[in-house]
Amino acid sequence: DAKTTQPPSMDCAEGRAANLPCNHSTISGNEYVYWYRQIHSQGPQYIIHGLKNNETNEMASLIITEDRKSSTLILPHATLRDTAVYYCIVRVGGNFGNEKLTFGTGTRLTIIP
Amino acid sequence: DVKVTQSSRYLVKRTGEKVFLECVQDMDHENMFWYRQDPGLGLRLIYFSYDVKMKEKGDIPEGYSVSREKKERFSLILESASTNQTSMYLCASSPLVDGGNQPQHFGDGTRLSIL
Repeated sequence: DAKTTQPPSMDCAEGRAANLPCNHSTISGNEYVYWYRQIHSQGPQYIIHGLKNNETNEMASLIITEDRKSSTLILPHATLRDTAVYYCIVRVGGNFGNEKLTFGTGTRLTIIP
Repeated sequence: DVKVTQSSRYLVKRTGEKVFLECVQDMDHENMFWYRQDPGLGLRLIYFSYDVKMKEKGDIPEGYSVSREKKERFSLILESASTNQTSMYLCASSPLVDGGNQPQHFGDGTRLSIL
């Protein structure tokens, strides 16, 4: 799986959009970009994933650049409950979904009141 | 919503004890996983299962075994607990889909301390 690079920490004001970047310059054509987050002392929570098109769900939006070498997770109206470590992961598809996940160090996002 | 439930949030056991960690999912997923998470080491796969009674070793299976007698339940067993097995244990599940681009969903974890 391709390696990802994320900033170690970010702050965002409550109510503003939080934009979390991720670089994955060695991504292959069949690799998906996934985002998870982990709130302190809880299990990781799936947020969103995509291949090459932008994606949106009830939690967030995922913007993937045209060359697929980077992406941005957007939390449109951040709340204090969004304070967590956010992990960007690149995974190969086509293996029946039973391959392991590997988390890097992630971005520690702090929402400021 | 997918629900993965781990039987205990916190557990304290003694060295040499046999420890059982239970995980139940309610989404009829074929795949189930056990990971441990340690500071500085990230997430490491212990075992996974893609069907009832089927199991595959992950990266660090030594000292552990698993049981999958029913589709919804996946148990992790520490045969003889040791202090280096003190960790956060995470269970996850996902559907078995050709194409594989389905997320794994995690439980809240069991923080296990071995004294």
